[in-house]
Amino acid sequence: SAVISQKPSRDICQRGTSLTIQCQVDSQVTMMFWYRQQPGQSLTLIATANQGSEATYESGFVIDKFPISRPNLTFSTLTVSNMSPEDSSIYLCSVEFGGPSYNEQFFGPGTRLTVL
Amino acid sequence: QKEVEQDPGPLSVPEGAIVSLNCTYSNSAFQYFMWYRQYSRKGPELLMYTYSSGNKEDGRFTAQVDKSSKYISLFIRDSQPSDSATYLCAMSANQGGKLIFGQGTELSVKP
Repeated sequence: SAVISQKPSRDICQRGTSLTIQCQVDSQVTMMFWYRQQPGQSLTLIATANQGSEATYESGFVIDKFPISRPNLTFSTLTVSNMSPEDSSIYLCSVEFGGPSYNEQFFGPGTRLTVL
Repeated sequence: QKEVEQDPGPLSVPEGAIVSLNCTYSNSAFQYFMWYRQYSRKGPELLMYTYSSGNKEDGRFTAQVDKSSKYISLFIRDSQPSDSATYLCAMSANQGGKLIFGQGTELSVKP
């Protein structure tokens, strides 16, 4: 298993500003993921971040809006840029550990973002 | 049409009841089926996973997958107030990587 922390746990931001969310894991992991959980909606994958390579973004998400850094095997950041109220959501990071038959994903506690 | 559909509830049951949570999906490539539990203001935690069709039991929880009907279920027996949470189904075509989640069902178990 893994212990995952995120900072900040919550924030209230003004329209047009940017927020960087940090994700720290207590073990070295290859794959880290960033998800968005909008009110009443399912968790949606934003991008996959592997250490040493560019993040891979899902359809509907672009690097200019959600730049991601992955400087080492235990840390990643997601920036929400030029925010609008539609970006109000919970942002979660997750990491994947290989098991005997399945690679389990462990999630952080999430960052609750409100954009005014 | 969403790839994974899940009734968002909310679902309220008395303590001791049997709870049935369900998801349907459209992508026949899905092979791995998961149920996550998410308590308020926490991240999701894996409850159970099943590969392909069949049943899997873990204590009071039973997961069922019917690939022919593209339908999965989670049953909770003897439900407890501590089971009150949002339950999310998730699926993937591969052993790891991208997960596709349902909307989540909010469950409340009343003492």
